[in-house]
Amino acid sequence: AQTVTQSQPEMSVQEAETVTLSCTYDTSESNYYLFWYKQPPSRQMILVIRQEAYKQQNATENRFSVNFQKAAKSFSLKISDSQLGDTAMYFCAFIRYGGATNKLIFGTGTLLAVQP
Amino acid sequence: DARVTQTPRDKVTEMGQEVTMRCQPILGHNTVFWYRQTMMQGLELLAYFRNRAPLDDSGMPKDRFSAEMPDATLATLKIQPSEPRDSAVYFCASGLVGGREQFFGPGTRLTVL
Repeated sequence: AQTVTQSQPEMSVQEAETVTLSCTYDTSESNYYLFWYKQPPSRQMILVIRQEAYKQQNATENRFSVNFQKAAKSFSLKISDSQLGDTAMYFCAFIRYGGATNKLIFGTGTLLAVQP
Repeated sequence: DARVTQTPRDKVTEMGQEVTMRCQPILGHNTVFWYRQTMMQGLELLAYFRNRAPLDDSGMPKDRFSAEMPDATLATLKIQPSEPRDSAVYFCASGLVGGREQFFGPGTRLTVL
């Protein structure tokens, strides 16, 4: 069974600073995807970034980038130039590629507060 | 701008009442997921449909919950009878078979008194 662990329940960062959110996962699969989702107070789940396990290059999306360490099963999210609108709950998620059920396995989330 | 829609956005009901939540997946998507979010359990899968057929509902309490897709544009999740422990946010998501991404609706916040 796959598991996703986020060990930081809460984090705080000053506006314009950089913050890194941690995520580790456990799986015996070789083909999978990893995601970071953002959930602001509106509760909408918003995809921030995704990483294919077969790609060695770390994904980037504007101010968001990941550090994907496949051997260590680590998938951290770096937010650069933090903005007030980045305040949200962030969930790390795993999905097995090609399985019978493409269900997302979520971590418990990290609540990020961006301070002015 | 294609998006998943869910109704109602919020629902308050009394214990024992029937609750029906509806989801309209993105046109052309052939997979639909129902997730439940609670403080204690986090986000967990309740049911999964592929081409309208239920493939996995192992996460759903069978005695009171039921999920259906009457047609490709509508997915429903029913709870009968509802209990206070069912209070949660219920998300619907849709995607494509073999696709990498699931697109989430805004969720239905259910409160059972």
